[in-house]
Amino acid sequence: EAGVTQSPTHLIKTRGQQATLRCSPISGHTSVYWYQQALGLGLQFLLWYDEGEERNRGNFPPRFSGRQFPNYSSELNVNALELEDSALYLCASTLQMNTEAFFGQGTRLTVV
Amino acid sequence: DAKTTQPTSMDCAEGRAANLPCNHSTISGNEYVYWYRQIHSQGPQYIIHGLKNNETNEMASLIITEDRKSSTLILPHATLRDTAVYYCIVRATPGSTGFQKLVFGTGTRLLVSP
Repeated sequence: EAGVTQSPTHLIKTRGQQATLRCSPISGHTSVYWYQQALGLGLQFLLWYDEGEERNRGNFPPRFSGRQFPNYSSELNVNALELEDSALYLCASTLQMNTEAFFGQGTRLTVV
Repeated sequence: DAKTTQPTSMDCAEGRAANLPCNHSTISGNEYVYWYRQIHSQGPQYIIHGLKNNETNEMASLIITEDRKSSTLILPHATLRDTAVYYCIVRATPGSTGFQKLVFGTGTRLLVSP
């Protein structure tokens, strides 16, 4: 069974551009979480989607947004990129009524 | 808004048991204790979770105190590959009113040495 897959694995953008990161959850999982992990720091909660709806978001500016598609895959969009947005972006999925989260290997975004 | 407190770092000799403590003194009755670990630059890996009874699986054991205000993750025979950051998390049961986002704290950096 395929795990959580994220694409691309690496992304380099210049300041002011937009970045789009994608996540495919484990088959049957309906919840998707997004996290930002800056170098040497912990995981900062970004967004939580379940059944196509945004359930909660962390303390991030509105230029961080996303969506969940009918097939439960998800997209994270970061507009007007800033240098400090450089980080590992991790996606996790869970069954709606289950508890363990399974993580992808992340997308490393570098803003230059 | 993590609800757990963990030591910043710990050391363990290879082959010995690694006991990682976690304080969750404000845990609610409907909240589970979860443990994850993150090996350098990889996505976090689920280890184990429990509500009030001790739990064991192929990776580790989880000991939760009777008052549920703290817990200990035990890796019975630590190996070099267990070097990672270990996160303790509390989260309400699915379907309950407290079922919230999954929030990670800063974790414990475990270094297993030869």
